[in-house]
Amino acid sequence: EADIYQTPRYLVIGTGKKITLECSQTMGHDKMYWYQQDPGMELHLIHYSYGVNSTEKGDLSSESTVSRIRTEHFPLTLESARPSHTSQYLCASSEPARTGGNQETQYFGPGTRLLVL
Amino acid sequence: KNQVEQSPQSLIILEGKNCTLQCNYTVSPFSNLRWYKQDTGRGPVSLTIMTFSENTKSNGRYTATLDADTKQSSLHITASQLSDSASYICVVSDRGSTLGRLYFGRGTQLTVWP
Repeated sequence: EADIYQTPRYLVIGTGKKITLECSQTMGHDKMYWYQQDPGMELHLIHYSYGVNSTEKGDLSSESTVSRIRTEHFPLTLESARPSHTSQYLCASSEPARTGGNQETQYFGPGTRLLVL
Repeated sequence: KNQVEQSPQSLIILEGKNCTLQCNYTVSPFSNLRWYKQDTGRGPVSLTIMTFSENTKSNGRYTATLDADTKQSSLHITASQLSDSASYICVVSDRGSTLGRLYFGRGTQLTVWP
């Protein structure tokens, strides 16, 4: 089982609040990712990082921001939450495969289920 | 547009029975295909990964096949157990970027009844 953790697991907040979703991994992986997943739908990449001080936006436009000050930590922040942000947020990390190429496996955290009222 | 389509959307089977889940993709160029299992309220966990040259791979009671010519993959589950109840997600990676862009299917929701 992967050593990647997310907190909180569940969060219910009111519109306009600032929130930070925590993600940490103890595997020393350089690459980390944030995905958004709605019920019955595919995962959408919203942010990723190649390493410390590296952050990039993913395929799905998101009003959230991320930071990568330490290898093991990749928090996601919403400055002003809205009901449209209600979703499940999954954090993942990966390391290059020994064979190279794109065969690296992503290890996912348990996710944070966010409900914005 | 690169896409990954999975079928059926949901499936109910009795404990002990076998089942097969399908994945069709249009991702090009193709690098590899993974099957993930996602339990309710959890993150996905990798089951198998196959490259272009591999056409079958097993992981216990899970057997994945790949036909790169027809761009189809299947995941066969043998002698299903209650713990197999989960969403099974097909993920295809292209060779087009150093990130190894991943294309996710919507998953097949499998329910195993006693």
